[in-house]
Amino acid sequence: GQQLNQSPQSMFIQEGEDVSMNCTSSSIFNTWLWYKQDPGEGPVLLIALYKAGELTSNGRLTAQFGITRKDSFLNISASIPSDVGIYFCAGQLGGETSGSRLTFGEGTQLTVNP
Amino acid sequence: DGGITQSPKYLFRKEGQNVTLSCEQNLNHDAMYWYRQDPGQGLRLIYYSQIVNDFQKGDIAEGYSVSREKKESFPLTVTSAQKNPTAFYLCASSFGGGSYEQYFGPGTRLTVT
Repeated sequence: GQQLNQSPQSMFIQEGEDVSMNCTSSSIFNTWLWYKQDPGEGPVLLIALYKAGELTSNGRLTAQFGITRKDSFLNISASIPSDVGIYFCAGQLGGETSGSRLTFGEGTQLTVNP
Repeated sequence: DGGITQSPKYLFRKEGQNVTLSCEQNLNHDAMYWYRQDPGQGLRLIYYSQIVNDFQKGDIAEGYSVSREKKESFPLTVTSAQKNPTAFYLCASSFGGGSYEQYFGPGTRLTVT
C-alpha cells in the first residue's frame, strides 16, 4: 500500500519540553488523523484534519494539515510524563477508490523523562 | 456506554489450530476494520467491511478470513495457513461514507506456539 513517512521514529525529551513530529508522503491526502497508543492498548484519536492549511488544537496538542496536502505535523507543548506512548499519523488518500480505508505511518515513540 | 469491544484480551493457541477473534461495536458504525500490529511497527490492514455482508481484503489478508453478518460484529479468523500469526490484533470502526475517523478497540494479543 501507500507509504506515509513519519519522523522521528523515537524521541527522548525532558518533562516540560515541546515536541514536534510530522508525516510526509508523495501522494495527496484528503484527511489527516493523529492517534496516540499506550502500551498494550488500542490507538486513541487525538485530532482530525479535513482541509489543507487547517490548524486544530486539542489542549496542549496542535496539528496542521499541510498546504500541499502531502504532509501534516503534530506539536505537543509542555510535555508531561503521561504523554509517553506511540503517536501515529493516518491519512485518507485523495482519489482513493477503496472507500474509508486509511494509510498509517509507522509511529513516533515518545519518552518523557520526569 | 458506546464503544468497541474485543475479546479476549490475551489468547493462546497451538500451531495448526484456527482461532477466531471477536469484535463488537455499538456505535452504529457502518464500516469495520481489522489491523495487525507487530512489536515496534505500525498498523497493517488485514480486512475491512463498509457494509453488512460485504468485505474487502486489505494489504495482508493471506491466512485470515472474516464475516460481516451483522452491523455490530466483525469476527476475524486466523487460520492455520497464516505463517506467523503471533501479533497484536486491533479492530476499528467508523461511520464510513465520507467519514474517515476510525475508533479502535482495546486489542487482542494472540500467541501461537
